[in-house]
Amino acid sequence: GNSVTQMEGPVTLSEEAFLTINCTYTATGYPSLFWYVQYPGEGLQLLLKATKADDKGSNKGFEATYRKETTSFHLEKGSVQVSDSAVYFCALSGITDKLIFGTGTRLQVFP
Amino acid sequence: EPEVTQTPSHQVTQMGQEVILRCVPISNHLYFYWYRQILGQKVEFLVSFYNNEISEKSEIFDDQFSVERPDGSNFTLKIRSTKLEDSAMYFCASTSRPTYEQYFGPGTRLTVT
Repeated sequence: GNSVTQMEGPVTLSEEAFLTINCTYTATGYPSLFWYVQYPGEGLQLLLKATKADDKGSNKGFEATYRKETTSFHLEKGSVQVSDSAVYFCALSGITDKLIFGTGTRLQVFP
Repeated sequence: EPEVTQTPSHQVTQMGQEVILRCVPISNHLYFYWYRQILGQKVEFLVSFYNNEISEKSEIFDDQFSVERPDGSNFTLKIRSTKLEDSAMYFCASTSRPTYEQYFGPGTRLTVT
């Protein structure tokens, strides 16, 4: 069945460092791919999405490109801030609208 | 900005008791979902609901679970006889169309003792 694998955390970075959080997926057909973020004490918020191969989703300086050849959707940001500290979830939806999530990666950014 | 709300934020119950988790989706949304996250594990889909019917459910969503939209604003998840392994964070989500963004609530932490 469909699944998502993302890198273990926590990821610890200094402010202004470059961020990559790896995400790969297994799916039949052509899933839509998402990154959700969860700030402390809050619900999951959609960060960005891509619905077809080679699409790039972007928001708040974060980017991810839908790579069908490597079945990946890695999250990147050129310069992280302390306020980016959160848990990041990679997810997909396939034929149905249910979301299938990865385990989440905690990002900690220090000044 | 409209948001999904959930109550209570934390529920403690004894094994075998019934619990009802409540959600108020965004008012013009028509598709509703429950997910759960056991501590340290993945967020897992439980059930989707549209037009007063379950659209899809996972293998987790057995006969102990039920969902209801009792009054046109609330969306509830009932667990009839809780088990220790039901302890988790439960998230409600809603959307206006199934291919659109799902908006999540802040979650209810359920602790079964």
